[in-house]
Amino acid sequence: SQTIHQWPATLVQPVGSPLSLECTVEGTSNPNLYWYRQAAGRGLQLLFYSVGIGQISSEVPQNLSASRPQDRQFILSSKKLLLSDSGFYLCAWSDGLGGTETQYFGPGTRLLVL
Amino acid sequence: AQSVTQLGSHVSVSEGALVLLRCNYSSSVPPYLFWYVQYPNQGLQLLLKYTTGATLVKGINGFEAEFKKSETSFHLTKPSAHMSDAAEYFCAVTVGIAGGTSYGKLTFGQGTILTVHP
Repeated sequence: SQTIHQWPATLVQPVGSPLSLECTVEGTSNPNLYWYRQAAGRGLQLLFYSVGIGQISSEVPQNLSASRPQDRQFILSSKKLLLSDSGFYLCAWSDGLGGTETQYFGPGTRLLVL
Repeated sequence: AQSVTQLGSHVSVSEGALVLLRCNYSSSVPPYLFWYVQYPNQGLQLLLKYTTGATLVKGINGFEAEFKKSETSFHLTKPSAHMSDAAEYFCAVTVGIAGGTSYGKLTFGQGTILTVHP
């Protein structure tokens, strides 16, 4: 069966510091991968999605970037964090074969920027 | 383009009462519809989904939803609420591969927080 991991679970970072959040998927090949942010009272916002290694699409302009160095690894980064980057970050995958494109979510990373 | 509206950001029910969470969607092509549940500080868990075929969809934990094309709705129901159902619920829509540039992208509603009173 497929599983998705995210780490760290919780992170407290000062403003201006760098960020690296990691997401890995097991039990599937060539998945589509997604990064979402969930800010308090604002629902889920799609940040990035990837349909293959090195292929990243950004949904909104922001202080963050994403990379996919391996088939089942998706990394969310920032060079300098802003207060507004605080939130709950969710990684998700889908099977990449089209059709219903059901997305399955990881446990999330809670980021607090102070 | 597609969109989702969840009516009511907060719903409160008594334990044992009917749960009804409302979702309306907008889509220019036949949609695929989903309900997810999120418990505090956790990721989203898929409750159920509608793709094609039977319009009444049964999911986990006793939940079900009915796709009504004429009403562009996909309301979530459970006959008898349990304390463990307290969580936030998200309705979502995608148009799948037929959607061209919308391929693989889920559009979420703003969420409904369900509170269950003893």
